[in-house]
Amino acid sequence: DAGITQSPRHKVTETGTPVTLRCHQTENHRYMYWYRQDPGHGLRLIHYSYGVKDTDKGEVSDGYSVSRSKTEDFLLTLESATSSQTSVYFCAIGYRESPGGYTFGSGTRLTVV
Amino acid sequence: AQSVAQPEDQVNVAEGNPLTVKCTYSVSGNPYLFWYVQYPNRGLQFLLKYITGDNLVKGSYGFEAEFNKSQTSFHLKKPSALVSDSALYFCAVGDDAGNMLTFGGGTRLMVKP
Repeated sequence: DAGITQSPRHKVTETGTPVTLRCHQTENHRYMYWYRQDPGHGLRLIHYSYGVKDTDKGEVSDGYSVSRSKTEDFLLTLESATSSQTSVYFCAIGYRESPGGYTFGSGTRLTVV
Repeated sequence: AQSVAQPEDQVNVAEGNPLTVKCTYSVSGNPYLFWYVQYPNRGLQFLLKYITGDNLVKGSYGFEAEFNKSQTSFHLKKPSALVSDSALYFCAVGDDAGNMLTFGGGTRLMVKP
């Protein structure tokens, strides 16, 4: 999607290893979000950021940390990956009041083996 | 706390027939309501939203949704379904206390030729 890119698109990692996913935006948005998508659960908020170095937890934050040292980048780290963290991870930017609400990236499919 | 329910995991409809995808919500205060669509291996795309104003909201690709405050519902509708409408649809809700959106579990729409 224009203005927001996620990397990598796919990743397979082993249980117990650290993993970092990157979200990069060119829209200069203050708010950025990390969601995970799982069948039957829809999208659940992991962490969000409302500015550089300003982050907060979402409903499923255990096992995840985030960092935002620049407006354009929001990193999601799995400290020690577990099989339960196998999921599709989406980054989003924007405000609810924006004409299109949030804008989503294309997602990262993470498999923990 | 805010929540949203999509009671149907899947909706099947014949091409040319009207479609409805159901969504009910719970928030304290005024609701911000959204519909997003997800095609395979893609991020979520905005369809329409309700914040204030007319209860009938028109959005992209001929979709519309009706806000019903008394029934706390925001059902997505389209008068004549297309095979290309087949996708995963998400309803989302936020309240006026912050910028967060909570998503439902998603409804898969299958339109048969």
